[in-house]
Amino acid sequence: NAGVTQTPKFQVLKTGQSMTLQCAQDMNHNSMYWYRQDPGMGLRLIYYSASEGTTDKGEVPNGYNVSRLNKREFSLRLESAAPSQTSVYFCASSAGGTYGYTFGSGTRLTVV
Amino acid sequence: GENVEQHPSTLSVQEGDSAVIKCTYSDSASNYFPWYKQELGKRPQLIIDIRSNVGEKKDQRIAVTLNKTAKHFSLHITETQPEDSAVYFCAARLPSETDKLIFGTGTRLQVFP
Repeated sequence: NAGVTQTPKFQVLKTGQSMTLQCAQDMNHNSMYWYRQDPGMGLRLIYYSASEGTTDKGEVPNGYNVSRLNKREFSLRLESAAPSQTSVYFCASSAGGTYGYTFGSGTRLTVV
Repeated sequence: GENVEQHPSTLSVQEGDSAVIKCTYSDSASNYFPWYKQELGKRPQLIIDIRSNVGEKKDQRIAVTLNKTAKHFSLHITETQPEDSAVYFCAARLPSETDKLIFGTGTRLQVFP
């Protein structure tokens, strides 16, 4: 049982480049989330998906897009990376109700 | 919407002492309150949670208490050990279609030997 799997673990991009962060869960959870965590800071919600086929903006969606490909997979795309997007990105999933999140191991992204 | 405040932002204790972290929430309809521990360079991991129909829950050296009237909940760690050093996040969830957790800003706990 892998839980939540994120790829890649590390990435360096040049300003203006694009990339997609992948996330997959094998727990049959309906809800999935993307967070960013800047050094020494808390978790800020970028986008979330309450169910397959639906996505909604979180508190910091600018510069990002998402796709809920199926129930298992939720990807995050940076169309034109900026240094301000240097951060650690965490994907999470949840069964909802009175159950918590399970987080992936994170993607450490540096934009130069 | 829901708002969660967490205090203190940093906490230093001597090994063996107790540590208490407090969170307050704004929406009385919130019904689920988890606590996450994040070690340096690692993912946040759920360590304990409490539902709104329970006032206290304990798991070995950690416990969580919930005061629904005052809208606050606290994490208690007894007999602290150096491996308890980490950032701790509280969270609250409103029952809704989105199932979003609203996180506090985190508490950096340092346990000195």
